[in-house]
This record gives sequence, C-alpha cells and structure tokens, in this order.
Amino acid sequence: GAVVSQHPSRVICKSGTSVKIECRSLDFQATTMFWYRQFPKQSLMLMATSNEGSKATYEQGVEKDKFLINHASLTLSTLTVTSAHPEDSSFYICSALTPDYGYTFGSGTRLTVV
Amino acid sequence: AQKITQTQPGMFVQEKEAVTLDCTYDTSDQSYGLFWYKQPSSGEMIFLIYQGSYDEQNATEGRYSLNFQKARKSANLVISASQLGDSAMYFCAMREGPRDSSYKLIFGSGTRLLVRP
Repeated sequence: GAVVSQHPSRVICKSGTSVKIECRSLDFQATTMFWYRQFPKQSLMLMATSNEGSKATYEQGVEKDKFLINHASLTLSTLTVTSAHPEDSSFYICSALTPDYGYTFGSGTRLTVV
Repeated sequence: AQKITQTQPGMFVQEKEAVTLDCTYDTSDQSYGLFWYKQPSSGEMIFLIYQGSYDEQNATEGRYSLNFQKARKSANLVISASQLGDSAMYFCAMREGPRDSSYKLIFGSGTRLLVRP
C-alpha cells in the first residue's frame, strides 16, 4: 500500500532556530500533500496544501513566512518552521493524496521548542 | 464552509460490547467522502473506513461499520465487539469535492474511546 515516511519523529530545538520536517512517499507519486498541526488533546488542523512544482496553499491564519512548505518533487514535501518559538511546539503530521483519492499519513513529528 | 461535528469528547465501553461514535457534517456539495481514523497515543493516523456520498450501502470493514444517513448528514461509526486495543482517539473527517482541484480532508474534534476490561 501507499506509504509515507516522515522524519524526524521527534525534535527539540532552541528558540529562534529553524526546523525542517520531511515527508517522503515511498511507493507512489504524491502530487498533493497536506500538512497538519495538532495540539495536545485537540484535532488535526490543516495548515496548508502543497502541490508538486507549485506554491503551497495556506489555510487562513497560517503564517506562510513562518511555515515554509516546499514540494519540489513527486516524492518529497518539506515543512520548515522558521524562527521557532515555544508556542510552535506541537505535533506536525503530513498526509499524501493517494492515486485512488485516499489519504496516507506520515507518522508525525513532535516538535518541542525550548 | 464545511464542518464536521463530533459531540462526544469521551466515551466508555465495556470490552466485547458495541459502541457508536457520532459524527455529523455540513456541506453543500453533492459529492463528498467521509472517513474515520483511529489515533492511538503514538500519534499515527490509522484509516478505518470510508463512505462516499453516492454509496448506497453502508460501508463495513471487519468490526467497523459506518451508519450513513445522508438526509440527516450523519456518519456514525459503529465498533462491534470492542477490544482493549480499541482505546484511542477517533476522528471523523470529510473530503469535499473535488472543489477547485483541492481534496482537503477536514477533521472533527475527535472522540476519546476507553474500553473497560
């Protein structure tokens, strides 16, 4: 089945630094990927939709300059949290649209900014 | 704007019994898809079941079935013969469209299910 690999699974970074999260589709071409953010005991909130070769579409209220999304190839999408602050600490998870219009999720990244 | 509502923040069920998790949705689209996911404490999202808006039969996948009532815009998940391993967060989600070539999947607030031995 369609598999998405997400790395790192956990990351701790200092306030003010940037962190890159990668999602890679292993056995299919993911033309569309979605990035979600999840605070503890809350739902998944869609941050942005990335399409291969074009600019990401951000949801209302998401700072595009802070959360940089790149989808340069059919198998790789990255989310970079720039100038991270403690309030950016969260669980970030990607999802790829599969060829049959289903969704396959990465395993998530738990970001802690200290 | 689409909206998914899960009104049960938490549910308890006795092992081996059945449980229904509620989900209602709001959309003006005729074509949409409804999904249920399980999220254990590890955070991974596990796909359980899918129902298309044009599907006439209720979806079933093993112990999972979806009670789809289109006129009421509800898509409740029924888990039969609950197991201790079913304890997790459960999310209902909807995909509209395709609308403007977007296949966004939007989630409800979730229900935490605890299975008692």
